[in-house]
Amino acid sequence: KQEVTQIPAALSVPEGENLVLNCSFTDSAIYNLQWFRQDPGKGLTSLLLIQSSQREQTSGRLNASLDKSSGRSTLYIAASQPGDSATYLCAVKEYGGSQGNLIFGKGTKLSVKP
Amino acid sequence: DTGVSQNPRHKITKRGQNVTFRCDPISEHNRLYWYRQTLGQGPEFLTYFQNEAQLEKSRLLSDRFSAERPKGSFSTLEIQRTEQGDSAMYLCASSTYRETDTQYFGPGTRLTVL
Repeated sequence: KQEVTQIPAALSVPEGENLVLNCSFTDSAIYNLQWFRQDPGKGLTSLLLIQSSQREQTSGRLNASLDKSSGRSTLYIAASQPGDSATYLCAVKEYGGSQGNLIFGKGTKLSVKP
Repeated sequence: DTGVSQNPRHKITKRGQNVTFRCDPISEHNRLYWYRQTLGQGPEFLTYFQNEAQLEKSRLLSDRFSAERPKGSFSTLEIQRTEQGDSAMYLCASSTYRETDTQYFGPGTRLTVL
């Protein structure tokens, strides 16, 4: 059974720092891995989608990497800002089994202090 | 493209009552998913539709839950005889049929069962 783990569960950094969020998964048979942002009481906003054949994706100050063989992904946020404060979730879409659903980690709650 | 919409955004009900939520997906998307998210957890898959066909249901979807997508457009999720344990955020997402494509999430419906 696929399990997705995110470390750390919470992170507090001063504004301007670069930071890395970690995601690991137990079964490498995946279509893709996706990083989402969730603000309190809100839905999910897709940040980056990495297909299984890709190694990384970049969008602005965000860079996500994928090492499928080791079951790891990282989300790198450069020059963090208070507006980056949110919960960051990673999710994998796996082959076989359930065809449609994403399997999520519990998230990393990020707080960026001004 | 107006995004995925969900109504209502918040619902407070008494234990034992029935509730119904609605999701309107992105118009050209033929897949629609329902997830449930409790506090401090990542979303958990409930069910998904391809067009009007309900193709998969999670074991989390007890017989008190039913979902429909009658014309392959909007979907409803009904919970009968609500229990306090049903209190959660109910998220809807939509995507194309391609496994590699991203799922776009709505803002969610927050259910509180008193």
